[in-house]
Order: sequence, then structure tokens, then C-alpha cells
Amino acid sequence: DIQMTQSPSSVSASVGDRVAITCRASQAISTWVAWYQQKPGKAPKLLISAASTLQSGVPSRFSGSGSGTDFTLTITSLQPEDFATYFCQQAYKFPLTFGGGTKVEIK
Amino acid sequence: EVQLLESGGGLVQPGGSLRLSCAASGFTFGNYALTWVRQAPGKGLEWVALISSAGGTTYYADSVKGRFAISRDTSDNTVYLQMNSLRAEDTATYYCARRATPTATTGNWFDPWGQGTLVIVSS
Repeated sequence: DIQMTQSPSSVSASVGDRVAITCRASQAISTWVAWYQQKPGKAPKLLISAASTLQSGVPSRFSGSGSGTDFTLTITSLQPEDFATYFCQQAYKFPLTFGGGTKVEIK
Repeated sequence: EVQLLESGGGLVQPGGSLRLSCAASGFTFGNYALTWVRQAPGKGLEWVALISSAGGTTYYADSVKGRFAISRDTSDNTVYLQMNSLRAEDTATYYCARRATPTATTGNWFDPWGQGTLVIVSS
């Protein structure tokens, strides 16, 4: 199975800060990565697919990059509504696997 | 509006069975693969199973293979997860989700997701 190692597991940041979350795959997976946002008590929401394709309606302060084994979700100018947990997911092969999550908290 | 509405969760004893349902609306059901993903309380996401758009192909996580079965019914636009031989470690909120695009050549990422249904396996 492909392991997705996400870091950090949590980060404290202030409104306006830039936050970067990384995901490392245990083998090369091209750009078969998605990023999700989950708020407490809610279902995950797809933010980015294919490593860097922003989903419709997602603010442009979110961006994704990377290919091969290393991927990054960047949030520029953090907004109050961005405090949530973020997960990466590989779609290269079954079984599909998720990273452990990164909780973005208010400093 | 695309909607997925899960039901069927509840409290079940270890070794018992439960069938989850996910009613879909707002899109052409037969064009999309559908999946179940679970989340244990306070934990991360774990992919469980996926069924292809036509229903002919299924995939499972090793942790549920042989115990869970995913199926779909185009007559009522519903995807099911039959869960047998349940264990305490199956306790989780179960989400159904739709593949983001109908095209088989794009990736298995999911949008939207339902609100989830909670399964508790305990004596």
C-alpha cells in the first residue's frame, strides 16, 4: 500500500499568515494527489485535485504543488474560515490512502 | 444541487451486521463511481470501498475485504454498504462520496460527500 506521510500534524497560525502543509508518498505517484478540508462535525470538502487543480469555488489563496513523492498545499493569507483540518489523498492505485491530517489552529 | 444522504448507522454488537444506504440526487447516478470512507472518532480518514459507475467493478480496503460489500441500485439511485462480522475497530462515521468527475481516466478523488452516518460497534 502507498503510505501518505503528512506534516506537520498541527500548526498554529494567525490570520494573514502563509501556511504550507506537506505530504510525502512512499512511492512515486506522479500528480495523483488530492487535498481536502474538513471542519469539525462536517464532511471533507475537495479543494485540489491532480496535485494542483483548484476546484471550482475554492479561493485562490489555496494552491497545490508537487509531483512524484512530495506534495504541498499552501494557504496564503490565512482567513478565519480556513481554520480546519486538511488531508491529502493518493489516487495512484488501490487501496486509496489518506495522510494523517494537519490541524490548522488559531495562534 | 448534488446531494448524498447516508442512513442506516447505529449501535450494533460485535459480530453483527448493518447495511448503510446513501441516496443520491442531483446528478446522473449511472455516470459516476461512488465510494465509502470512514472516520473513527477523533481520527483521520480511511478509505473503505469503491464501486464503478456501472457497478461491475468493486475495490476494498484490506481491513474490510471479505466482511463488507458495496453495491448500487440504479432504480433508486442508492449505493449500499453491507457490513458483516463487525468489530469494535469498525466504529466510525461512514461517509459516502461521489467521484468528482465521471471520466474514468481522471483520478479517484471525491466531491461531494454526504454528511455521514455513525456506526458504533459495542456490546
